[in-house]
Amino acid sequence: KAGVTQTPRYLIKTRGQQVTLSCSPISGHRSVSWYQQTPGQGLQFLFEYFSETQRNKGNFPGRFSGRQFSNSRSEMNVSTLELGDSALYLCASRTGALVGTDTQYFGPGTRLTVL
Amino acid sequence: AQKITQTQPGMFVQEKEAVTLDCTYDTSDPSYGLFWYKQPSSGEMIFLIYQGSYDQQNATEGRYSLNFQKARKSANLVISASQLGDSAMYFCAMREGRGGGADGLTFGKGTHLIIQP
Repeated sequence: KAGVTQTPRYLIKTRGQQVTLSCSPISGHRSVSWYQQTPGQGLQFLFEYFSETQRNKGNFPGRFSGRQFSNSRSEMNVSTLELGDSALYLCASRTGALVGTDTQYFGPGTRLTVL
Repeated sequence: AQKITQTQPGMFVQEKEAVTLDCTYDTSDPSYGLFWYKQPSSGEMIFLIYQGSYDQQNATEGRYSLNFQKARKSANLVISASQLGDSAMYFCAMREGRGGGADGLTFGKGTHLIIQP
C-alpha cells in the first residue's frame, strides 16, 4: 500500500505571497491532519479534515486554511506569508475512526522557506 | 503546562546497547493514546509504537517496547540492541479521548538519539 504523499517537497516563497500544499492520504484513510514543525515551537497541530469537513483545529491564525476533497486528498493554504511561516509542514492520515488506537501515518513533509 | 515532556534533549549510546527514552505526560482524560515516532534527518515521521490508556500490557513492536507506568504518567520507549540506523529524533505524542479521539496529536520536544559504533 502506498504511503502518504506530499507535494511539493520544497518551496521557496517571499513575504506576502500565498502558498498551497497538497497531501494524498493512504488509500482507505478518510482523515487528514496537518502539522507545522519549527525549531522553536516544535510540532504543532494545525487542523484535521474528515469526509471533507474540518473536524478539529489548532491554535493558528486564519491565514492558515485547508480543505479536503471527496477522494480524501487535502490541501493546505497559507495566505500573506510571514517569515515565521518557514517550517516543515507534515501531513498525516488515518482511517478516521473515533478511537485512540487509530494511528496517524505521516508523509515526507513540505519544507517551506519564506524570504 | 506541557502535556508531553521529554527530558533528554540528546543521547549518545554505543551500538548494540539498549536505550531508554523518557516521556511523561499530563492529562485528566481517562481515555488517551500514547505514540512514539522516529524522525530521521530526511524529515519523515515514522510510527513506532502505540499504547492505549486502558491497555493492561506494555506494547511491543520488534525491537521497540513501551514501558507504561500509568500511575506515574510515564511512557518510556525502550530500544533493544541499538543499531546505527536508529540515530534520529524521537518524539512522544498523545491523543486525548475527549471528543471521541478527534483531537490532533500533542508532541513532546523530542530526543535526539545518536548511536555510536
